[in-house]
This record gives sequence, structure tokens and C-alpha cells, in this order.
Amino acid sequence: AQSVTQLGSHVSVSEGALVLLRCNYSSSVPPYLFWYVQYPNQGLQLLLKYTSAATLVKGINGFEAEFKKSETSFHLTKPSAHMSDAAEYFCAVNRGSQGNLIFGKGTKLSVKP
Amino acid sequence: NAGVTQTPKFQVLKTGQSMTLQCAQDMNHEYMSWYRQDPGMGLRLIHYSVGAGITDQGEVPNGYNVSRSTTEDFPLRLLSAAPSQTSVYFCASSSTTGRNQPQHFGDGTRLSIL
Repeated sequence: AQSVTQLGSHVSVSEGALVLLRCNYSSSVPPYLFWYVQYPNQGLQLLLKYTSAATLVKGINGFEAEFKKSETSFHLTKPSAHMSDAAEYFCAVNRGSQGNLIFGKGTKLSVKP
Repeated sequence: NAGVTQTPKFQVLKTGQSMTLQCAQDMNHEYMSWYRQDPGMGLRLIHYSVGAGITDQGEVPNGYNVSRSTTEDFPLRLLSAAPSQTSVYFCASSSTTGRNQPQHFGDGTRLSIL
């Protein structure tokens, strides 16, 4: 069975600092992994996805994530945080043969000036 | 460039009332789904559809019905609203049912049951 664990429900960084949001997955089959971002009162927007083509995946807004099979991790990083990055971030794994997703509980990112 | 459109954006119901949350997409996507989002719980799948006339249950289907008569529309029905159904509801769609397809989300319906 597939599952996703996001470590840390809240993360706070200073503007210009490294952003690191952690995601660990469990999957009985090779996983397809996704990171989504949710701004206040909006829907979810795809940041990036891992589909086995490359272990380092680049996404929008300067974010990237690295798939590490040995650690069952897919952590999201950004070298320099911007105030506009303040949002909630969700890691998700594909549930099975169809398009259903299993989401982590989310990590709310705050950026301090 | 509408994408996935959900209506209404906000709704307040009394316990026992019924209502339908609307979802429409203009991208000719085969796959559509409904999720609910609760604080600290992430998003949980309610129902999904892999094409017109085909629906199936997700993780938390109790108290909800769906139908898919057209490719574009996927309404979610609450038959008898309960306070436990107070939540934010998101509709999503993707072009195929493949495992690597990202989903496109609507802006959500915020539902309160009194």
C-alpha cells in the first residue's frame, strides 16, 4: 500500500534562506511522486513531479526535489526563500493503476522578512 | 482558460439538508475526482471517475453520491448533510488515468454544516 509522510506541519525560514520540506513515501510499486502548493483560499497547483525519468526534478518558482530510493524520500528544496513562497505544500504519491493520489498532511511554510 | 470550475465557492447548510457541489472542466479530461480537505488531514479522496458513465469510491465515500453523465461535469451530492461534512471540497481532473498524470484542481467549495 502507498503512503506519504511529511515531517513538520510548520516550517519557518528567513527570506533568502534555504527552504527544505521533507517527504517520505511508502510504495509497493515504483512510485510516481508529486509536490503541490496551495496559496490561501486557492486550489492546489502542481510544483513538480517525479516519474522515474530523472532523480533530480526541477519545478516552477525555483523549487526542485530529489528522489532517493534508498531513503524513500522526495524532499523539496529551494536555495533562497522569497516572501511569495509562503503557502502550504503537499507531497503526494499515486495510489495505484489510476490517477488517484494519496496526500501527506501538508507543511505550512512561513517566510520571515 | 477556465480549467476546473467549482460552484458555489461558499455554502452554509443546516443538518439534514441536501445539496449538490458542481464541478466542470473544459480540458476534455477523462479522469475527474473529488477530495475533501480538513485541517491537519491533507486531502482525502471521496469519489472518482475514469470517464463518462464510470464512477468509483475513494477513501471516504460515505454520505456522498456522484454521477458522470458527460465528460465535462462531475457533481458531488450530499444527501443529508451532517456537521462532520464541514470541510473544503476540491474537484480535480487529469487528461488520462495514467499514474504519472498530474491533476488540475479547482479553487474549492467551502462548506459549513450547522
